[in-house]
Amino acid sequence: AQSVTQLDSQVPVFEEAPVELRCNYSSSVSVYLFWYVQYPNQGLQLLLKYLSGSTLVKGINGFEAEFNKSQTSFHLRKPSVHISDTAEYFCAVSDAGGTSYGKLTFGQGTILTVHP
Amino acid sequence: DAGVTQSPTHLIKTRGQQVTLRCSPKSGHDTVSWYQQALGQGPQFIFQYYEEEERQRGNFPDRFSGHQFPNYSSELNVNALLLGDSALYLCASSWGGPPAFFGQGTRLTVV
Repeated sequence: AQSVTQLDSQVPVFEEAPVELRCNYSSSVSVYLFWYVQYPNQGLQLLLKYLSGSTLVKGINGFEAEFNKSQTSFHLRKPSVHISDTAEYFCAVSDAGGTSYGKLTFGQGTILTVHP
Repeated sequence: DAGVTQSPTHLIKTRGQQVTLRCSPKSGHDTVSWYQQALGQGPQFIFQYYEEEERQRGNFPDRFSGHQFPNYSSELNVNALLLGDSALYLCASSWGGPPAFFGQGTRLTVV
């Protein structure tokens, strides 16, 4: 069984400050890792994904994440946030390979609030 | 491109009733996945449909069933509704990869 823990339920930050949203996972097999963003009253949107290769993954809107296998972490970072980044962020994991792309296990979400 | 669309947006049902939720995937996507998101929680995988067959299933009882049509649209059916089935039901579509977009969801309230 897999599990995902997002270590912060809420993260307040000021505009133009850096931010890190933390995600740890547990799995007995190799995994793919994902970050999704959910803006108010909208569906989830894929921000970035790690499938293989470089452990530093760049996504949309200036976000990036680093896969750390030894620490089983996949933290999301942005060097300078904007008001428009205010949203809920979900970390997710799936088994690597096969037909497992759809079976994502999600964390409980982190609400990022950017203050002016 | 309308992306992933779900209907209805909101629904109120009584315990014991049956409900059908609908999903139209993003144009060109052939795989549909359904998730249940309880308040304050992350989405939980219900099942995935590909080529009109259920390809994977999460830990949900048989009261939850689905269907995929030849045009790739999908339905989620829930029988014998319980209060605990109240949640946001999300549909995601994909083609050969992880879901990039989810629909806005159907908010189901069971009273």
